[in-house]
Order: sequence, then structure tokens, then C-alpha cells
Amino acid sequence: EAGVAQSPRYKIIEKRQSVAFWCNPISGHATLYWYQQILGQGPKLLIQFQNNGVVDDSQLPKDRFSAERLKGVDSTLKIQPAKLEDSAVYLCASSPTGTANEKLFFGSGTQLSVL
Amino acid sequence: EDQVTQSPEALRLQEGESSSLNCSYTVSGLRGLFWYRQDPGKGPEFLFTLYSAGEEKEKERLKATLTKKESFLHITAPKPEDSATYLCAVQAPRNTDKLIFGTGTRLQVFP
Repeated sequence: EAGVAQSPRYKIIEKRQSVAFWCNPISGHATLYWYQQILGQGPKLLIQFQNNGVVDDSQLPKDRFSAERLKGVDSTLKIQPAKLEDSAVYLCASSPTGTANEKLFFGSGTQLSVL
Repeated sequence: EDQVTQSPEALRLQEGESSSLNCSYTVSGLRGLFWYRQDPGKGPEFLFTLYSAGEEKEKERLKATLTKKESFLHITAPKPEDSATYLCAVQAPRNTDKLIFGTGTRLQVFP
């Protein structure tokens, strides 16, 4: 079974530039998550989609971050403009139905460095 | 505010030297406590879910236990391939059931 695919693997940009990350979840998984993991910290949820609708985006900095999940399959997370503190690994995860206590399947992440 | 605290931050063990990792939590209405393993450059990989105090789950050399205030991940006779960061996370309805992760314990097992 193919896992969660993310690209690019690494990205280096300068502050105030824009960047986009792409995620393709496991086939058939209804729920997709974007997490931010700063070095030395645990992942923090940015946004959760159920099919193509947003379930939780309470921790998404909406003045600079945006995300979409077209057709309820793959998803794009965008940062515009980037700040130094956005340097982190951005992890995408998916789960079959999004019900409580369901395990998440994570991709390998995109490591972003903002200079 | 709901919190998850993991200790120690880092742990170095000799191969075969058993030990335990701790996850303390303060959350109202715990729905589940999760353990994930994260290798360098990879995303977290699910290990266990615990639902209620007294519950235990095992997988190979790992055993997770849960009380009303904390969870332990016991590692028996570890091998170098057990080296990874172990993350604990809690889920509660008050937080819309999103996972709240601790900062992890970085385990290194030397041959």
C-alpha cells in the first residue's frame, strides 16, 4: 500500500517569499491533516480536512498560511509571505474516516528553511 | 490548558538495558493517548492507542501503560534499531479531538 506522498522534500527560501507544499494522501482516506513540527518540538496541527471541507483550522495563521484540498484528494499548503519563524518540517497525514482515536499515517514531510 | 510533558528529553541505553519513558498529561476528558515513533527525516509512525487507566498494550520489545495522570513506554532489552524519538499525544473532545503532542524522548541504543 502506497503511503502519504509529500513534495518537495526540502525547500530553502528567503523571508517574505512565498512557498507551497503538496500532499497526496493514502488512496481512499477521507481525512487529511497538515502539521508543523519545529525542531525539538512535537507536531502541531495547522488544519484538518474531511473530504474537501475544513474541520479545524484554529491554529492556522490565516494572515499568511492557506490550504486547499481540491476534489477531496490531494492538498496544497501555502505560506505567503514567509517569516523566519516558519522554518520547520511540514508534515501531511491522512486517516480513513477522521473518527476519534483513529491512527494517523504521516508522510516524510517537507523541511522548510527561511533565511 | 491541556498539556503533555515527556521525560527524559534524551536517553542513552546500552543494548539490552531496559528502561521506561514517561508521558505526563493534564487534559479534561481524555479520549485517547497515543504513542508514535519518529525516525530522523521521517514522519511519526503509530505504535499504540490507550483509552483508559489500567490499560496495557505490547508490541515486540515495547509495552505501553496508562494511569489517570501519565503513561509509560517500557522498552525491554532494547536493540540499536529501537533508536528513534518517541512521541506521546493526547486527544480530547474539548480540543475538537485534535492530537496534542509532547516534545518527545530521543532514544539512542548503543551496541
